[in-house]
Amino acid sequence: QITLKESGPTLVKPTQTLTLTCTFSGFSLSTSGVGVGWIRQPPGKALEWLALIYWDDAKRYSPSLESRLTITKDTSKNQVVLTMTNMYPVDTGTYYCARARRGYCNSISCPNWFDPWGQGTLVTVSS
Amino acid sequence: AIQMTQSPSSLSASVGDRVTITCRASQDIRNDLGWYQQKPGKAPKLLIYAASTLQSGVPSRFSGSGSGTDFTLTISSLQPEDFATYYCLQDYNYPWTFGQGTKVEIK
Repeated sequence: QITLKESGPTLVKPTQTLTLTCTFSGFSLSTSGVGVGWIRQPPGKALEWLALIYWDDAKRYSPSLESRLTITKDTSKNQVVLTMTNMYPVDTGTYYCARARRGYCNSISCPNWFDPWGQGTLVTVSS
Repeated sequence: AIQMTQSPSSLSASVGDRVTITCRASQDIRNDLGWYQQKPGKAPKLLIYAASTLQSGVPSRFSGSGSGTDFTLTISSLQPEDFATYYCLQDYNYPWTFGQGTKVEIK
């Protein structure tokens, strides 16, 4: 059974740095084609893709947030950490981590998907 | 970044109805699209990837189609547990981008 769980502060002050940890089990982040991503969702709004780290340590970030984000992995601990600097009230929302899989590539598709997801953690930015 | 436009943003339907949700990409994304279901207060759940491949364990009343820029999620016979918000996600290039969501409500 594959599980992921997010942990970190529920409340941060404006300008502070947020550090979230995704602890997972049931898969290894050293397996080819596997990654862990972070996605967030402001209250009542749509999902937003933030960052992704792969088994080979390749990292991808949302360009709009790239200057504020850092994603790292600790394969031995089965953890992925996301840091976001200079938090604003608009960064309030639920933050999810999810396992990313890269499927077989052919001429018409090179699929990737998030499955499963963690339960999410609500982060509020307020003074 | 590729923009994903879902329609409608919400719909009302009855149990047993056939429901269709569309997602349009701002450029060709081949078949690199997934569909996710999110119930209130819960994490999203993968339904379909590669535009039309049903994730293991997902009921066969869900199906996906399309390629290039236009994609469709169809629920052939809506069940009570299907009332939720549905999102498409393009994974063709970075940053991966979600649609704005379609909320399926009870008529």
